[in-house]
Amino acid sequence: AQSVTQLGSHVSVSEGALVLLRCNYSSSVPPYLFWYVQYPNQGLQLLLKYTTGATLVKGINGFEAEFKKSETSFHLTKPSAHMSDAAEYFCAVTEKTSDSWGKLQFGAGTQVVVTP
Amino acid sequence: DGGITQSPKYLFRKEGQNVTLSCEQNLNHDAMYWYRQDPGQGLRLIYYSQIVNDFQKGDIAEGYSVSREKKESFPLTVTSAQKNPTAFYLCASRWGLNTEAFFGQGTRLTVV
Repeated sequence: AQSVTQLGSHVSVSEGALVLLRCNYSSSVPPYLFWYVQYPNQGLQLLLKYTTGATLVKGINGFEAEFKKSETSFHLTKPSAHMSDAAEYFCAVTEKTSDSWGKLQFGAGTQVVVTP
Repeated sequence: DGGITQSPKYLFRKEGQNVTLSCEQNLNHDAMYWYRQDPGQGLRLIYYSQIVNDFQKGDIAEGYSVSREKKESFPLTVTSAQKNPTAFYLCASRWGLNTEAFFGQGTRLTVV
């Protein structure tokens, strides 16, 4: 069965510093992986996704993530944090199996605070 | 404009009453989802539907019900059996497994 774990419910970074948000997944088959961002009292919007092919995926707003099958990880990074990056970030997984077909599972989220 | 619409944005109900949250999409997506969001718990899947007239329970389906009579619509009913219904509810839709989900703006339900 699929699941996703986000390490760290809160992350504080200085403006201009590296942003690193950790996501580990559990899946019995090759998964499809997603990162979303949520601003207060709004829905979620996609940052990037991994389906097949290149394991380093680039997304919007300067974010990127690398799929590492051996580590079952899909960590999100951004080289230089901006104040506008303050938000909550969610990792999500879907796997193509008969018992969870179509299920889209999210992690608990990581709240990012950016300090001047 | 294509998108997914949830209504209302805020909803207040008395304890013991059933309430239905609306979710409509004009993206021609096959799959639709309902999530509940509570602080520190992320998004928890309530129900999902891959096609019309079919839906599956998610991880926290107890006290909730859904229908999928039309491709565009996936309403969620929060019944009186749901012990702690106050939460932020999000609806989403997507084409298929390897595509992104599009989210509505959410409905904040408060039960008093």
